Amino acid sequence: QKEVEQNSGPLSVPEGAIASLNCTYSDRGSQSFFWYRQYSGKSPELIMFIYSNGDKEDGRFTAQLNKASQYVSLLIRDSQPSDSATYLCAGGEGSTLGRLYFGRGTQLTVWP
Amino acid sequence: DTGVSQNPRHKITKRGQNVTFRCDPISEHNRLYWYRQTLGQGPEFLTYFQNEAQLEKSRLLSDRFSAERPKGSFSTLEIQRTEQGDSAMYLCASSFAQNQPQHFGDGTRLSIL
Repeated sequence: QKEVEQNSGPLSVPEGAIASLNCTYSDRGSQSFFWYRQYSGKSPELIMFIYSNGDKEDGRFTAQLNKASQYVSLLIRDSQPSDSATYLCAGGEGSTLGRLYFGRGTQLTVWP
Repeated sequence: DTGVSQNPRHKITKRGQNVTFRCDPISEHNRLYWYRQTLGQGPEFLTYFQNEAQLEKSRLLSDRFSAERPKGSFSTLEIQRTEQGDSAMYLCASSFAQNQPQHFGDGTRLSIL
């Protein structure tokens, strides 16, 4: 059973702080990892994806992947109240299949 | 570039009725996925298509569920004899290729009375 585990949260940070979201995955064959943001009652919106070990930066977001530790993280710098949402971590299978395995999500609140 | 489109946005039906949802993927995306999400959970995979071929079905997908993508463009998901436990958000996503980012539609929220 392939699983993705996310830190339980909820996570609350002040505006302007760095929010750190973490997840671990069970399938060593997973090749790709995705972070989605989901506002209440809305569908998931892709934020970042990462395929290689190391860091990948896009604006205020940095995704980090450590395949040896089977660990993925998302850092949000200069957090804004509009970042308040549930963040979903997902792993893609390493085979020819394409399904994503999602964690349960971490709820982030950024307070002014 | 239009996004993934799902219809209807909301569906309320009585237990035992059949329902059908439609998904139009992003053009040129040959992969189309269906997921189901309940409150407090991440999306769970149901099935996916590459062009018109249905390549995988989850064990979650009972024989009351059927999905089609007849011409490799839009897809439909039908649930027959709906049950209370079918109440969920049904999400469709598409991607250009395997392991490429999947982009989700707005979802169809199903409520069973």
